[in-house]
Amino acid sequence: RKEVEQDPGPFNVPEGATVAFNCTYSNSASQSFFWYRQDCRKEPKLLMSVYSSGNEDGRFTAQLNRASQYISLLIRDSKLSDSATYLCVVNGQKDAGGTSYGKLTFGQGTILTVHP
Amino acid sequence: EPEVTQTPSHQVTQMGQEVILRCVPISNHLYFYWYRQILGQKVEFLVSFYNNEISEKSEIFDDQFSVERPDGSNFTLKIRSTKLEDSAMYFCASSGLAVHSGANVLTFGAGSRLTVL
Repeated sequence: RKEVEQDPGPFNVPEGATVAFNCTYSNSASQSFFWYRQDCRKEPKLLMSVYSSGNEDGRFTAQLNRASQYISLLIRDSKLSDSATYLCVVNGQKDAGGTSYGKLTFGQGTILTVHP
Repeated sequence: EPEVTQTPSHQVTQMGQEVILRCVPISNHLYFYWYRQILGQKVEFLVSFYNNEISEKSEIFDDQFSVERPDGSNFTLKIRSTKLEDSAMYFCASSGLAVHSGANVLTFGAGSRLTVL
């Protein structure tokens, strides 16, 4: 099983649509969860952290289900500028059970294209 | 907004040559990282560096790779003898440390594209 698995898409949606991305992770000891976005040939940029209680940032809502090891991202009212690859990212865990600061495990990414 | 800067933006080298990629992390950050992304593939962790030593490294980070913080601002990745499969985008990142939460938000540089011929 892949450490972090995402539906690669691509998702093609019209402006104004709502789109949801899903992600699963294999390491139940993972501690921190994020969504990054990556534009073509650019660096990953943090979109939002994901908290157990779920969190919202404007048009973006993230959910975490630790029992199912499942993370989601919902984008409402899609804009053309939302077109990018969305990366599900998990903070790793050292084998000895220690916390692994900054060793992020990335999913393959989900490609989103928003069209007029 | 503070940023991580990387040089060069693109380097072309012959197989077997040594390459040094340079990074200037955000000034008050404590942790430094290198990640790489082979074209069309996912971003992969290489190494983390804290308090002037490697804190963790991946299986990719073999003896051909080394990192150094030669002064108070630069953080370098050296590939001793490049192979074709080293062709990738190399991202430097840095972070402060949220000790209590364990979370660690990384800021990535724009990347250095390495092409090995």
